[in-house]
Amino acid sequence: AQRVTQPEKLLSVFKGAPVELKCNYSYSGSPELFWYVQYSRQRLQLLLRHISRESIKGFTADLNKGETSFHLKKPFAQEEDSAMYYCALSDYGNQFYFGTGTSLTVIP
Amino acid sequence: DAGVIQSPRHEVTEMGQEVTLRCKPISGHNSLFWYRQTMMRGLELLIYFNNNVPIDDSGMPEDRFSAKMPNASFSTLKIQPSEPRDSAVYFCASSLGGTYNSPLHFGNGTRLTVT
Repeated sequence: AQRVTQPEKLLSVFKGAPVELKCNYSYSGSPELFWYVQYSRQRLQLLLRHISRESIKGFTADLNKGETSFHLKKPFAQEEDSAMYYCALSDYGNQFYFGTGTSLTVIP
Repeated sequence: DAGVIQSPRHEVTEMGQEVTLRCKPISGHNSLFWYRQTMMRGLELLIYFNNNVPIDDSGMPEDRFSAKMPNASFSTLKIQPSEPRDSAVYFCASSLGGTYNSPLHFGNGTRLTVT
């Protein structure tokens, strides 16, 4: 079975502090992992995909197959980062499994 | 590309009325998904299609809900009769199924309020 776990429902950090949103997965094949962000009352938007190994809005995420994790990190949180973040796993674009999301609040 | 297009953006209706939500996926995408989002339950997958064929509708809450995809560029989600507990934001999303690392693209959602 494919599963995505985001253990933190809520996360608060101060502006300028580092932030890490955790994501663990279980998957029997080669995982395709994504992070999505949802700002208040907006649609889910793709933030990162593991294969791109890019940094978007200062966020990075590294796939750790040994720990089956894909944690999202940013060294210095900004107020505009306050949003809901979802980790998702895909099965060749045919199915998507979302975690329950982490609501990030950056305190000024 | 205009992205995934959903209509209407907002719908307010009375209990018992029929509601139809519409979705146009990104051109060329062959997988289409309908999600429901509420504060209580979070993001729930209702149904998804691949090449216009429903593959998994196990998330459809009950017989009052139905979804169709008559062609590659259009899908509907219908609720008949609607109930107040159906109030939620309904998202449509599409992807290039069968392609490694193809992300899901979401529409702006339809905010449904049933009074």
